[in-house]
Amino acid sequence: GENVEQHPSTLSVQEGDSAVIKCTYSDSASNYFPWYKQELGKRPQLIIDIRSNVGEKKDQRIAVTLNKTAKHFSLHITETQPEDSAVYFCAASSYGNNRLAFGKGNQVVVIP
Amino acid sequence: EAGVTQFPSHSVIEKGQTVTLRCDPISGHDNLYWYRRVMGKEIKFLLHFVKESKQDESGMPNNRFLAERTGGTYSTLKVQPAELEDSGVYFCASSPGTSGVREQFFGPGTRLTVL
Repeated sequence: GENVEQHPSTLSVQEGDSAVIKCTYSDSASNYFPWYKQELGKRPQLIIDIRSNVGEKKDQRIAVTLNKTAKHFSLHITETQPEDSAVYFCAASSYGNNRLAFGKGNQVVVIP
Repeated sequence: EAGVTQFPSHSVIEKGQTVTLRCDPISGHDNLYWYRRVMGKEIKFLLHFVKESKQDESGMPNNRFLAERTGGTYSTLKVQPAELEDSGVYFCASSPGTSGVREQFFGPGTRLTVL
């Protein structure tokens, strides 16, 4: 089955700096890569996703890049703010197989 | 529109007891998923319903776990008898049956502690 690795496990950044979280996946059939944000005590929420037919997608301060050859994808958060502090999960799934394979999560702490 | 809801939010039981978790998906969503996160580890897939049918139950750990979705609306996940290693947060998610829409909407989770 699909195996998703996520690094680093914890990331501290100064407010205003950028944060980057990287994930790798093992199954070349994977073609959908969502990122979920889970704030303390709340549910995981989708913040951005990318499909394998594009290499980059942006939504305001967040962006995701995908390298299919190397089987890795990354989340970029620019101009970080305290409300960006949360656990971020990357995931992968393949067409026709709805189950998401998640990474272990990354605790991002934005220091004011 | 109400999101995915789960009940209870927390459950503390003793080893050997039975627990039933409930999930109410977003109204009209045909797809319903169960996931579990054991402390410090990844969120792991358990199973997937399409309406009332089990589409994929490859993630169910063993036969102590029983999931149902009678009528294709809410779902229950029963653990009987519970073991210590069953402790964790159980998430439910749902998604519409619309082709091409792959976003899964998560519930807040049920934190299960087995003592």
